[in-house]
Amino acid sequence: AQRVTQPEKLLSVFKGAPVELKCNYSYSGSPELFWYVQYSRQRLQLLLRHISRESIKGFTADLNKGETSFHLKKPFAQEEDSAMYYCALLSGGATNKLIFGTGTLLAVQP
Amino acid sequence: NAGVTQTPKFRILKIGQSMTLQCTQDMNHNYMYWYRQDPGMGLKLIYYSVGAGITDKGEVPNGYNVSRSTTEDFPLRLELAAPSQTSVYFCASMGPNSPLHFGNGTRLTVT
Repeated sequence: AQRVTQPEKLLSVFKGAPVELKCNYSYSGSPELFWYVQYSRQRLQLLLRHISRESIKGFTADLNKGETSFHLKKPFAQEEDSAMYYCALLSGGATNKLIFGTGTLLAVQP
Repeated sequence: NAGVTQTPKFRILKIGQSMTLQCTQDMNHNYMYWYRQDPGMGLKLIYYSVGAGITDKGEVPNGYNVSRSTTEDFPLRLELAAPSQTSVYFCASMGPNSPLHFGNGTRLTVT
């Protein structure tokens, strides 16, 4: 079964501390994974996708096929990073559905 | 490009009432989706469409209907509103080699 697991509902860190938001997936094929971010009362927006291997707003995520993980990391958290973060898996094929995890709320304290 | 536009932004319904949530996109995307977002539950797929004239059920389709008569529009219909349908609804679209684009959401309360 295709599944995305985000084990933490809430992650609270202090400004300047490192951040790691965990994401594990279950997928039989070659996965395509994304991180989406939702700031307070705004629409979800793409943060990054693993095939781009980019860094956005200081965040990076590496696909680890052995551990079936796609954790989101940032070395120094900022208050403006406070938001809801969703990991998502593209199911692919004809349907092209995006399967979301339950999300992790990141709260960066001053 | 306006992207994905949803209307209304907010709505309060009484139990048993019906309504249509509108969604339109101007990016000529074939794929369109309706998700509901509930606290602690993430986003659940209600219905999706891979092109005009084609729709299919997602994870939680009960109590909803959709249509896709044009590429641009993908309305979501609630026929008999129930309190369990209180949620935030997001429409999204996707084209080839593009990520999912979301609308601003519709906050629906059923009382």
